[in-house]
Amino acid sequence: DTAVSQTPKYLVTQMGNDKSIKCEQNLGHDTMYWYKQDSKKFLKIMFSYNNKELIINETVPNRFSPKSPDKAHLNLHINSLELGDSAVYFCASSPPSMTSGVSETQYFGPGTRLTVL
Amino acid sequence: GQQVMQIPQYQHVQEGEDFTTYCNSSTTLSNIQWYKQRPGGHPVFLIQLVKSGEVKKQKRLTFQFGEAKKNSSLHITATQTTDVGTYFCAGDYNTDKLIFGTGTRLQVFP
Repeated sequence: DTAVSQTPKYLVTQMGNDKSIKCEQNLGHDTMYWYKQDSKKFLKIMFSYNNKELIINETVPNRFSPKSPDKAHLNLHINSLELGDSAVYFCASSPPSMTSGVSETQYFGPGTRLTVL
Repeated sequence: GQQVMQIPQYQHVQEGEDFTTYCNSSTTLSNIQWYKQRPGGHPVFLIQLVKSGEVKKQKRLTFQFGEAKKNSSLHITATQTTDVGTYFCAGDYNTDKLIFGTGTRLQVFP
């Protein structure tokens, strides 16, 4: 029973291609996230959706376009892939905050390792 | 903007030795969370600290939140090889997102 799942696990592609990564959570959470982890292990938030609505959009190139068809799914489409896009992309989800100003636990998916050649 | 720094970046210890990682924020935090990422794995939640000066323990792990809510630490007593991984703190500034620290990679030699 995978709580947060991502596909594919590995993605190897050429520069300039367009690719998508899919994420699904079966935890009933309202909020989902995309993170990028680079080769130095730095983990940076890219996007956050709450109930299909975009609430956080960090300084990410507009080649990256998230889509949330329903609150259990958050996909990430990347156009015109560049070498610098190579990283591990993690999807995560969290339940609604029970206390104002206090974030809830985030549950991460297994990650998608993207390699751009 | 908000930044969360962690030190050290790497730590190699002999099994049985203690380990501590420190997390510092440039501004006051609402609360802080700690995550562990095993090699090849994904971040997994360990604990959340909310109150100023709070101390929480999980078996050999002790977590502290500073009085000013700008720093935190994770201490592992008598490390084991199963403790290997990268430990991240994640700061919450009441902005609907977590700012992850730079991480401390722990290697334990048997």
